[in-house]
Amino acid sequence: SQELEQSPQSLIVQEGKNLTINCTSSKTLYGLYWYKQKYGEGLIFLMMLQKGGEEKSHEKITAKLDEKKQQSSLHITASQPSHAGIYLCGADISRGTSYGKLTFGQGTILTVHP
Amino acid sequence: KAGVTQTPRYLIKTRGQQVTLSCSPISGHRSVSWYQQTPGQGLQFLFEYFSETQRNKGNFPGRFSGRQFSNSRSEMNVSTLELGDSALYLCASSLLGGHQETQYFGPGTRLLVL
Repeated sequence: SQELEQSPQSLIVQEGKNLTINCTSSKTLYGLYWYKQKYGEGLIFLMMLQKGGEEKSHEKITAKLDEKKQQSSLHITASQPSHAGIYLCGADISRGTSYGKLTFGQGTILTVHP
Repeated sequence: KAGVTQTPRYLIKTRGQQVTLSCSPISGHRSVSWYQQTPGQGLQFLFEYFSETQRNKGNFPGRFSGRQFSNSRSEMNVSTLELGDSALYLCASSLLGGHQETQYFGPGTRLLVL
């Protein structure tokens, strides 16, 4: 089984709707990263969360890390076609002993219909 | 600052051949990590280099190797290519590759093995 599980695997919404993507870990998260990827391209960094209870926002995207540090959510308000893509959560789940390694979820494919 | 660059962007090889991919990190970043992305396995960590030394390695066969130069540029090599090596290869850089450091990704190299 995956160490990081994302849900849903895919999401189709109408423009203007709100949506949430979840990332659940089987281990404690020591750093949680959200990235966005256009198909076949590199990952674009969105946000990093470190502390339990932390919440960060950028434009219409808000990410939270729960108190127990094993789950994160990414919320998009008033979605736009430009939000379409693959959202990936990546995490340091090794207590900082594993240099340069992030473990990733399988990704959530977001489609936004105009 | 310029972002992470990867060359070439696309490659077509045949089984049994070998291939070398190149990654130039963001200026000042000394840690370079490599990942393989496939539809079936998702994003998987290959290895990480810092100061010309491999500090961390994922669960890949010895056919996958890498190196880092004194200017922090990195290369990865895959020998005796197999069909299953077809993937998007991504490199990411960070300052020191340490705990809770953000990794910034390049655009990737798409490798097709025929």
